[in-house]
Amino acid sequence: AQSVTQLDSQVPVFEEAPVELRCNYSSSVSVYLFWYVQYPNQGLQLLLKYLSGSTLVKGINGFEAEFNKSQTSFHLRKPSVHISDTAEYFCAVMGTGFQKLVFGTGTRLLVSP
Amino acid sequence: DTGVSQDPRHKITKRGQNVTFRCDPISEHNRLYWYRQTLGQGPEFLTYFQNEAQLEKSRLLSDRFSAERPKGSFSTLEIQRTEQGDSAMYLCASSSDRGDPVGYTFGSGTRLTVV
Repeated sequence: AQSVTQLDSQVPVFEEAPVELRCNYSSSVSVYLFWYVQYPNQGLQLLLKYLSGSTLVKGINGFEAEFNKSQTSFHLRKPSVHISDTAEYFCAVMGTGFQKLVFGTGTRLLVSP
Repeated sequence: DTGVSQDPRHKITKRGQNVTFRCDPISEHNRLYWYRQTLGQGPEFLTYFQNEAQLEKSRLLSDRFSAERPKGSFSTLEIQRTEQGDSAMYLCASSSDRGDPVGYTFGSGTRLTVV
């Protein structure tokens, strides 16, 4: 079985500042890793995913994440945030060979002017 | 490609009533998933179809819940005798077993409120 821990329920940050949203996972098998963003009353939009290869993954809207197998982490970063990045961010894991996504509880990113 | 469509977007129902939600996946996608998201939580897996076959069901899917995908196209999720604890956002997603094996596309969800 897989599980995901998002250590911060809320992260406040000023516009144009850098941000890191933390994600740790647990799994007995190899995994794929994902970050999704959810705006109010909307579905989930994929920001980026790690399947294999380079551990630094670049996604949409200037986000990137780094897979660290030894620390079982997949932290999301952005060097300079915008007001429009205010949303809920979910880290998710999928065991290879399976189809089910297991999500963390989410981190609310609050960007203020 | 119009994405994954879910209907209705919002549903308010009285406790004890039955409700049915519909999901139309991306046309070329043969896999379809249902997730439930309660307030302040991440989505939780409910069930998964490959074509018309229901291949996996979560323990969260009690016997009041039933999902179907006739002919491997759209899917319905029915909740019988709704309870207040069923209030949640119900998300549908689809993907294809060709190309990107984990390329989920989510719909905008159906928000259920049981009063």
